Amino acid sequence: DGGITQSPKYLFRKEGQNVTLSCEQNLNHDAMYWYRQDPGQGLRLIYYSQIVNDFQKGDIAEGYSVSREKKESFPLTVTSAQKNPTAFYLCASSHGLAGGREQYFGPGTRLTVT
Amino acid sequence: DAKTTQPPSMDCAEGRAANLPCNHSTISGNEYVYWYRQIHSQGPQYIIHGLKNNETNEMASLIITEDRKSSTLILPHATLRDTAVYYCIVRVALSSSNTGKLIFGQGTTLQVKP
Repeated sequence: DGGITQSPKYLFRKEGQNVTLSCEQNLNHDAMYWYRQDPGQGLRLIYYSQIVNDFQKGDIAEGYSVSREKKESFPLTVTSAQKNPTAFYLCASSHGLAGGREQYFGPGTRLTVT
Repeated sequence: DAKTTQPPSMDCAEGRAANLPCNHSTISGNEYVYWYRQIHSQGPQYIIHGLKNNETNEMASLIITEDRKSSTLILPHATLRDTAVYYCIVRVALSSSNTGKLIFGQGTTLQVKP
């Protein structure tokens, strides 16, 4: 089946530790995105990548880092510099630069930092 | 991106059509209307999108007014599994000069009742 996978579904970390969230897609999409969702809130864009080996900061990139070494993969690292890392993290992907393309989302990773 | 206005909540009887309205009075000519839904603790699910013409797929129909200032998402035969938060989003087509990010507002919580 084609789709986007995120792992793990739930993740617990101690404060001060870096943690990497996985996102893989087999849809052959060029563009990939990371969003963050807080309780009762909409989604906010952290980072996005329109092509392999290139990525751009979104609206709330501070304290996060990404890489895009393969078309299929766009891992997100939540660093110890992120002040409020506890949130629901969503990865999405879409076709590239043409037309009104929809984004498809993964199931999300719920990160809890204590 | 243009903003959208949706009612915070709606009820619908199971088996009946659910009509979810959205106002986007400041929409630009190159902005598409997208609908997503999010079931609790899951990633958003793409439903449908359109630019000017009405659209229909296996999930829903999208009716866009002629002046494009409002739209309605129609779920023809709502089931209990359609209970979710529905988001109406307007966005320009992804290009090299924009992020393609989706701006999710508060959405409409649709409760389908037996």
